[in-house]
Amino acid sequence: QVQLVESGGGVVQPGRSLRLSCTASGFTFSSYALHWVRQAPVKGLDWVAFILNDGTNKYYADSVKGRFTISRDNSKNTLYLQMDSLRPEDTAVYYCARVSIQWRVTGAFDVWGQGTMVTVSS
Amino acid sequence: EIVMTQSPATLSVSPGERATLSCRASQSVSSNLAWYQQKPGQAPRLLIYGASTRATGIPARFSGSGSGTEFTLTISSLQSEDFAVYYCQQYNNWPPLTFGQGTKVEIK
Repeated sequence: QVQLVESGGGVVQPGRSLRLSCTASGFTFSSYALHWVRQAPVKGLDWVAFILNDGTNKYYADSVKGRFTISRDNSKNTLYLQMDSLRPEDTAVYYCARVSIQWRVTGAFDVWGQGTMVTVSS
Repeated sequence: EIVMTQSPATLSVSPGERATLSCRASQSVSSNLAWYQQKPGQAPRLLIYGASTRATGIPARFSGSGSGTEFTLTISSLQSEDFAVYYCQQYNNWPPLTFGQGTKVEIK
């Protein structure tokens, strides 16, 4: 079935780095744009980053610009989020999500992963 | 940045009753508006896209309406599995892509 599975979360000290992965199955990965969305404990949804299906266009929330890097490897059906210079306010569950229509830049998110928890604490 | 404002923050409804949730955008988002349902410990699930189109597998008791800056999600007859938090999201003018703060639908 169509699925996204995140991994790579954990506990990390402020200032350190972490790389999240999101592995896809059940659909043609290279045809879809993808996003990262996060949710701090007992808070709402917060958009983090976007990447086009071929990796040529990327956008970031101001809160992570210059610290986080989104990338993808279409040969491995995997999306990544490299998180550097982590701060306590980056503590959240991180979800990857698929844009609902193939080849489109924008759209609703029709498939979500189960999320991976990142805790930034000394 | 387009700010999405949902109301009310919490809605107390009895099973079988109708629930009406509102979402307002700080500027027009046309019909590029989605609604998501999230239960505790789970990822969000897409309910409505294009302001009024139900996603695959979503029951007919969920309906969306509106365009421009005012949107509504209606659950016609609440079932036990519908008690959750609901978020609206605009995807018309971004980055940044923005969500509302959520409406919690709880059992009265």
